[in-house]
Amino acid sequence: SQQGEEDPQALSIQEGENATMNCSYKTSINNLQWYRQNSGRGLVHLILIRSNEREKHSGRLRVTLDTSKKSSSLLITASRAADTASYFCATASNFGNEKLTFGTGTRLTIIP
Amino acid sequence: DAGITQSPRHKVTETGTPVTLRCHQTENHRYMYWYRQDPGHGLRLIHYSYGVKDTDKGEVSDGYSVSRSKTEDFLLTLESATSSQTSVYFCATSDGPVSGNTIYFGEGSWLTVV
Repeated sequence: SQQGEEDPQALSIQEGENATMNCSYKTSINNLQWYRQNSGRGLVHLILIRSNEREKHSGRLRVTLDTSKKSSSLLITASRAADTASYFCATASNFGNEKLTFGTGTRLTIIP
Repeated sequence: DAGITQSPRHKVTETGTPVTLRCHQTENHRYMYWYRQDPGHGLRLIHYSYGVKDTDKGEVSDGYSVSRSKTEDFLLTLESATSSQTSVYFCATSDGPVSGNTIYFGEGSWLTVV
C-alpha cells in the first residue's frame, strides 16, 4: 500500500479560490515533501517540511504537518490557471534508506 | 531546472528485447534515482545510486539493472522487456540523501513494450 495517500483524488475550483489537498501516511517520517507535475512533464519540488516543523510557507503555498495524526495539507491560495496540475506528497522515512515514497496524487483543475 | 536529460524520451520495443534508458546530469549531484510512474501506483523507486559504482535496489527492482560509471550518468537496463514494464520512467538527482535534500526530476521516458 502507498505510504502517502492524497485526498481528494481530484479537485476542480474556480480561479482565485483556495485549493486544499491532504496527505496521510502510515509510518514515522524524517520529512514530507510536496511535488507538482504538469501533464506529460517531470515532477517539480514545491516544499520540504521536516518532522519537527508544523508549518511552512512558500509564496502562495502553505504546508502543514501533524505528525500525531500522520497527515499533511497543502494549501494553494488565490489559485491561477497555471496551478492546474497533479500534486503529490512524498515521505522520507526515519530508517536510513533512500526511499522517497510517493502517494498517488491529487489532480487539481483550475477553472478560468 | 537541475540539468537532467533523459534519453530516449519515447521508445516502443518488443517483448524480450533489452532496453537501456540513460540519465545525464550536469549538477554534479551525488545521488541519482530511477523511478517508474504507473496509474494508481504513484512513483515507485526502482534503483538508486549514492556514488560512482555504488548502487542499491528500490522497491520494484526485479527485471531491472543499473550502472553508474561516471558521476553524471546513470543507466537503467531492462534485461528482457516485458509488457508489465510499460511505464513512464523518471530519473532524479539530489545533492545528498532524501532525509534532508530536494530531489530534482527529469522530464521522463515513455516506454511501451509490445
